[in-house]
Amino acid sequence: GAGVSQSPSNKVTEKGKDVELRCDPISGHTALYWYRQSLGQGLEFLIYFQGNSAPDKSGLPSDRFSAERTGGSVSTLTIQRTQQEDSAVYLCASRSTGANNEQFFGPGTRLTVL
Amino acid sequence: AQSVSQHNHHVILSEAASLELGCNYSYGGTVNLFWYVQYPGQHLQLLLKYFSEDPLVKGIKGFEAEFIKSKFSFNLRKPSVQWSDTAEYFCAVKSYNTDKLIFGTGTRLQVFP
Repeated sequence: GAGVSQSPSNKVTEKGKDVELRCDPISGHTALYWYRQSLGQGLEFLIYFQGNSAPDKSGLPSDRFSAERTGGSVSTLTIQRTQQEDSAVYLCASRSTGANNEQFFGPGTRLTVL
Repeated sequence: AQSVSQHNHHVILSEAASLELGCNYSYGGTVNLFWYVQYPGQHLQLLLKYFSEDPLVKGIKGFEAEFIKSKFSFNLRKPSVQWSDTAEYFCAVKSYNTDKLIFGTGTRLQVFP
């Protein structure tokens, strides 16, 4: 496809359940990012993958959050034992190689934890 | 740690009014600066970016921003807004020693005809 895609677009889950959010970056983009957008909080960096390098996990809020990127393409963000404060829109972005290249964002997954 | 401040949380303007949205960042080294816009129901998209060239940057849809290093600022401006500019605007900074963006909390702009 032409842009970054994410699935599902909406996810409602019960507290304590695990969820998986998927991101398909733009083909050929080597860098992939996950952000979280909470009401009134702006966008919060979570994790960043660049090629085969070790990911930058410095933004993950707790060990309940993890992400992987298989084959340098699709990425999955997993939240274990979800809590109500995990409710947010989770955004994925990708970027091609080149220092001046911008990040392209997907539509996001709206997660609601009841 | 780096941070970005957007002091205007909600701005309401009439069409043809001039716009200036404030953005200040905390990092003292070399930075790249961005403004992203999110129209209702749409993805975040890049409005303009600064990468160490002319400090006055022109973007899409008549927007511009000026990088003032001494003030750690990157304010967004438009001389005459339109109803279609109604959106949320995010300022972001990236330092040279990292590849992640640090975003401000956003400014919601409402333009009335």
